[in-house]
Amino acid sequence: GESVGLHLPTLSVQEGDNSIINCAYSNSASDYFIWYKQESGKGPQFIIDIRSNMDKRQGQRVTVLLNKTVKHLSLQIAATQPGDSAVYFCAENRPAGGTSYGKLTFGQGTILTVHP
Amino acid sequence: DAGVTQSPTHLIKTRGQQVTLRCSPISGHKSVSWYQQVLGQGPQFIFQYYEKEERGRGNFPDRFSARQFPNYSSELNVNALLLGDSALYLCASSGAGTGWYGYTFGSGTRLTVV
Repeated sequence: GESVGLHLPTLSVQEGDNSIINCAYSNSASDYFIWYKQESGKGPQFIIDIRSNMDKRQGQRVTVLLNKTVKHLSLQIAATQPGDSAVYFCAENRPAGGTSYGKLTFGQGTILTVHP
Repeated sequence: DAGVTQSPTHLIKTRGQQVTLRCSPISGHKSVSWYQQVLGQGPQFIFQYYEKEERGRGNFPDRFSARQFPNYSSELNVNALLLGDSALYLCASSGAGTGWYGYTFGSGTRLTVV
């Protein structure tokens, strides 16, 4: 069925390196994409989002790139820090139509480990 | 400002029992969604409520039900609990307004069924 998936389940980097986490989505009707960070025992924390009419969006140390042609989403974290260690999820919003705001479909998640 | 608050934070129940989980959205948010997150997986959509009406339902059995109150808080009820219902239950609120989703999650309720 339709899903959002991640290419790499784990990513290990050194402190100060740049990290790139990838995500593939399958529903071309999805209009909104979000990256979440989840630490152990906590709920997903919003990192950055991007609408389907955009290709790139930058935040503080993070950049999200959207390639609608190949249905690919990536999260780039600059100067990765040990505090960035967590599970990262991409999620797509699929509009349900009418007055519904739709629902988020999450990918599998990527475990990012940052070594000091 | 308070974020999304959920209660209780942890809960242990016995198979066959019923459970009620509670969620208070961010002030001004009118939409509440519920997600189930099994260990090692991404959250799975259960319900969405907006203005006290169900706007979406995921692929969950009828043992799962929810409602939203006039103050926009919400409850998730699960009847006849199974071991497989053990999970982190997340509530997310989102703002009203055209084209803005802004889903914000609470810290969740960890439900353990024994």
